[in-house]
Amino acid sequence: AQSVTQLGSHVSVSEGALVLLRCNYSSSVPPYLFWYVQYPNQGLQLLLKYTSAATLVKGINGFEAEFKKSETSFHLTKPSAHMSDAAEYFCAVSHTGGFKTIFGAGTRLFVKA
Amino acid sequence: DTGVSQDPRHKITKRGQNVTFRCDPISEHNRLYWYRQTLGQGPEFLTYFQNEAQLEKSRLLSDRFSAERPKGSFSTLEIQRTEQGDSAMYLCASSLEEAHTDTQYFGPGTRLTVL
Repeated sequence: AQSVTQLGSHVSVSEGALVLLRCNYSSSVPPYLFWYVQYPNQGLQLLLKYTSAATLVKGINGFEAEFKKSETSFHLTKPSAHMSDAAEYFCAVSHTGGFKTIFGAGTRLFVKA
Repeated sequence: DTGVSQDPRHKITKRGQNVTFRCDPISEHNRLYWYRQTLGQGPEFLTYFQNEAQLEKSRLLSDRFSAERPKGSFSTLEIQRTEQGDSAMYLCASSLEEAHTDTQYFGPGTRLTVL
């Protein structure tokens, strides 16, 4: 069985500060991991995905995430927050050939001016 | 590539009524998914189609729910005898089968409110 835990339902940062959104996963098979962003009243947009190649994955809008097997983590970071980054972020897990993607509960990011 | 589209974007209905939602996937995508998202939660998997075949249904999908994907193109999700607990955002996603794991592209969702 697979599951995802996102630590912190709300994260608040100042504009220009580091963004760190935490995600831990549980999987009995090698996982594939995703981060999605959701703006109000919109669907989910893929930020980045890990598919067992490089452990440091770069995505869109300056975001990146590092897969750490020993810690079962896939935290999302961005060096400098922008006001436009304010949104809900979801971590998700799947596996080879898997069609069912399991999502975390989400973390809402607030960016203060 | 026009993306995944869903219709309607919003639906308000009275308890006991039937509703139907439509999803148009990205044209070359052979896989289509339905999810339900309630406030403060991530999307929960409901069902999955490979072309026109419905290959998996979640236990969340009660007998009142039915999904179809005729001809492997658009899909419909029908909820019969709606209940207040059905109020949620219903998301559709599509993907192209890949060697590793698919990347799912989501539509904007249909927000259902059951009064």
